[in-house]
Amino acid sequence: QTVVTQEPSLTVSPGGTVTLTCASSTGAVTSDYYPNWFQQKPGQAPRALIYSTSNKHSWTPARFSGSLLGGKAALTLSGVQPEDEAEYYCLLYYGGWVFGGGTKLTVL
Amino acid sequence: EVQLVESGGDLVQPGGSLRLSCAVSGFTFRSSWMTWVRQAPGKGLEWVANIKQDGSEKYYVDSVKGRFTISRDNAQNSLYLQMNSLRADDTAVYYCATERRLSQWGQGTLVTVSS
Repeated sequence: QTVVTQEPSLTVSPGGTVTLTCASSTGAVTSDYYPNWFQQKPGQAPRALIYSTSNKHSWTPARFSGSLLGGKAALTLSGVQPEDEAEYYCLLYYGGWVFGGGTKLTVL
Repeated sequence: EVQLVESGGDLVQPGGSLRLSCAVSGFTFRSSWMTWVRQAPGKGLEWVANIKQDGSEKYYVDSVKGRFTISRDNAQNSLYLQMNSLRADDTAVYYCATERRLSQWGQGTLVTVSS
């Protein structure tokens, strides 16, 4: 069974930079996994942020960026805002799709 | 404005069936893959199934294969999920989302499987 692993939790200061990663139990994540990233705040539906590794949706704030880093998919937030406190999920393609377990980002 | 509205969630006994619907507006439904995702209470997201534009291809997570069926009606701009042989671990909020990249999401409908 394929497992997608994310950091369970991270903390960042307002205005700081943080990188969330997404690893695959099958090996290095490449663009062939079409990494997607989503943000979910309590009581809300998820919101799409990044698709196909690094592409932003029209509504994605400029401070969010996606990349591949050290064999993992990565989501970097630069100039973190208090409203960025949320759960973040990655999604990878294996024929079907598998979500990571999520990273709870605290802005403190 | 794109709107997705799920409905059909309910309390159902183990072994029972339920049909979820997702009504889509403000979006070219017939041109898009569509996807169902679920989230158990207090847990993470789980991709459940998706369906190609014309319904000719359907994919499922292993845990629902043989029990759930995804379908669509392009004339009605609607997506469906027929869920049979429901189990307690199917309890979740079920979301529909557009495309394989899950660009737009509905607000979800709660399915509770319990006796």
